[in-house]
Amino acid sequence: DAKTTQPPSMDCAEGRAANLPCNHSTISGNEYVYWYRQIHSQGPQYIIHGLKNNETNEMASLIITEDRKSSTLILPHATLRDTAVYYCIVRAFNAGGTSYGKLTFGQGTILTVHP
Amino acid sequence: KAGVTQTPRYLIKTRGQQVTLSCSPISGHRSVSWYQQTPGQGLQFLFEYFSETQRNKGNFPGRFSGRQFSNSRSEMNVSTLELGDSALYLCASRLGQYAGGEAFFGQGTRLTVV
Repeated sequence: DAKTTQPPSMDCAEGRAANLPCNHSTISGNEYVYWYRQIHSQGPQYIIHGLKNNETNEMASLIITEDRKSSTLILPHATLRDTAVYYCIVRAFNAGGTSYGKLTFGQGTILTVHP
Repeated sequence: KAGVTQTPRYLIKTRGQQVTLSCSPISGHRSVSWYQQTPGQGLQFLFEYFSETQRNKGNFPGRFSGRQFSNSRSEMNVSTLELGDSALYLCASRLGQYAGGEAFFGQGTRLTVV
């Protein structure tokens, strides 16, 4: 699986949009970008994933650059409860591949939302 | 529907002992993965099971083992515990066996080895 690079920490004011970048310059054509977050002392929570098109769900939006070498997770109106570690993970969608469901977590970005 | 359930939530063991942790996946999910989280190493993949078969294994010593039952529930066992095994152990379930689809994590079991 491709390696990702994220800033170690970011701050955001409550009510503003939080834009979390992720670099995955070695991503392959069959690899998806996944985002998870982990609120203190809880298990990671799935947020969103995408291949090459922008994606949006009730939690966030995912913007993937045209060359797919980087992406941005957008939390449109951050709240204090969004304070967490955010992980960007690149993973192959390869039926029958040996990686199966393995997630390779990096250090992530600590997002702090302040009042 | 109920989420991923891990038991126990907290555990204290002595060096040299063994421990068994349990994970009940979301109903209908057949794939279960285990992860270890420590402050120094972060989240690391231990192994994954599907249909009672181990499909993938991380880089951990043989003291770490697991199994999956026919009802998809899974257990992991750590023998001859070491202080460094103190960690949050997380279980994740997925619907199918292939790489696609999101994983749903439990709250974890916090193991302290003294």
